Amino acid sequence: AQTVTQSQPEMSVQEAETVTLSCTYDTSESDYYLFWYKQPPSRQMILVIRQEAYKQQNATENRFSVNFQKAAKSFSLKISDSQLGDAAMYFCAYRSAMRGGSNYKLTFGKGTLLTVNP
Amino acid sequence: GAGVSQSPSNKVTEKGKDVELRCDPISGHTALYWYRQSLGQGLEFLIYFQGNSAPDKSGLPSDRFSAERTGGSVSTLTIQRTQQEDSAVYLCASSSQGVIGELFFGSGTQLSVL
Repeated sequence: AQTVTQSQPEMSVQEAETVTLSCTYDTSESDYYLFWYKQPPSRQMILVIRQEAYKQQNATENRFSVNFQKAAKSFSLKISDSQLGDAAMYFCAYRSAMRGGSNYKLTFGKGTLLTVNP
Repeated sequence: GAGVSQSPSNKVTEKGKDVELRCDPISGHTALYWYRQSLGQGLEFLIYFQGNSAPDKSGLPSDRFSAERTGGSVSTLTIQRTQQEDSAVYLCASSSQGVIGELFFGSGTQLSVL
């Protein structure tokens, strides 16, 4: 079974600065998807960014980018020019690319609570 | 509505009582998930519905938990004889056949069992 590990329970960053959240995962599969989800105090989780394992290019969405290291099974999230609205819990998640069985499920890490200081 | 709607937002119950949690997914989304989020933990998969297929109930922690989805739309998660360890946020999400892995979540139900 796949596992997702987020080793930083909490992180903090100054407004306008850059922060990197870490995520590692364990899988025997070669094709899969990785995600970062954001959960603000409203509890409603929102997809931040998505990476397909077969793509070597790191995904980027505005101020959010990832560093995907497939061999190391590492998938970190970089937030540039941090804003107060970025304060939230961030979850890393894994999904198999295989069809069938229970491969539709997302496996989540335990999350990193990000605080943004003004 | 435009998003996934869950009710109630908060539920306080006494140990031993039954509770029902409701999820109204985005219209047209064929897949529906229930996850449980306990304090300090990640999201724990509970159950998955896809169209008219038999649901995957492999994540339900005990036979006190059950769920149904009527007409391929609204889903209800029922917890019978609630225990204190059932206290958690129960999140519902739906997805379409579009972007793989893009789940649209509701705001969850915070369940507190006294």
